[in-house]
Amino acid sequence: DTEVTQTPKHLVMGMTNKKSLKCEQHMGHRAMYWYKQKAKKPPELMFVYSYEKLSINESVPSRFSPECPNSSLLNLHLHALQPEDSALYLCASRGRGGGETQYFGPGTRLLVL
Amino acid sequence: SQQGEEDPQALSIQEGENATMNCSYKTSINNLQWYRQNSGRGLVHLILIRSNEREKHSGRLRVTLDTSKKSSSLLITASRAADTASYFCATDRYRDDKIIFGKGTRLHILP
Repeated sequence: DTEVTQTPKHLVMGMTNKKSLKCEQHMGHRAMYWYKQKAKKPPELMFVYSYEKLSINESVPSRFSPECPNSSLLNLHLHALQPEDSALYLCASRGRGGGETQYFGPGTRLLVL
Repeated sequence: SQQGEEDPQALSIQEGENATMNCSYKTSINNLQWYRQNSGRGLVHLILIRSNEREKHSGRLRVTLDTSKKSSSLLITASRAADTASYFCATDRYRDDKIIFGKGTRLHILP
């Protein structure tokens, strides 16, 4: 099973809302990733967790707050977002038995009004 | 910041023809991966080539890697309508888990 799941699939939120994106994998992968992707652009790395510890933060604004509660789960907490934060948010995982290949979830399409 | 640069940015070919996409990168890598993305959905991993490999095949896909030129190419043979998608290369460095995507090539297969 090489599945990464993400919820919700779609999210609409106002600039004052607080919401969370969730990502889950049960492949025993050690590294989990958040990417942001705008239309017709490549995925842009935001955060990487390795063995449940934040290892890479690509200078992402603090209105995005990642959390890795355990080795299978990755959350992205959203607060006070701007309309320009509207994008597809992708989660990925890799490592251990899966080797170096990244496996992506289907993404959460976020619209900030 | 993007590490890879793909060219062409967009490519339209007739069904049955071969499609070639190129990727160039700037720094030393551990491996290079190619992904496909259909219209705003998740990315699908196609093939991984390590820095000590020069060529790799998977079905109708052929990937080459030239580390001296810091470039890779993806060849899709006998293209099909279902190959219409965006294709990205992604480079993986030695020292950390940072994986950086190139700008991508939008491939359109004409019937």
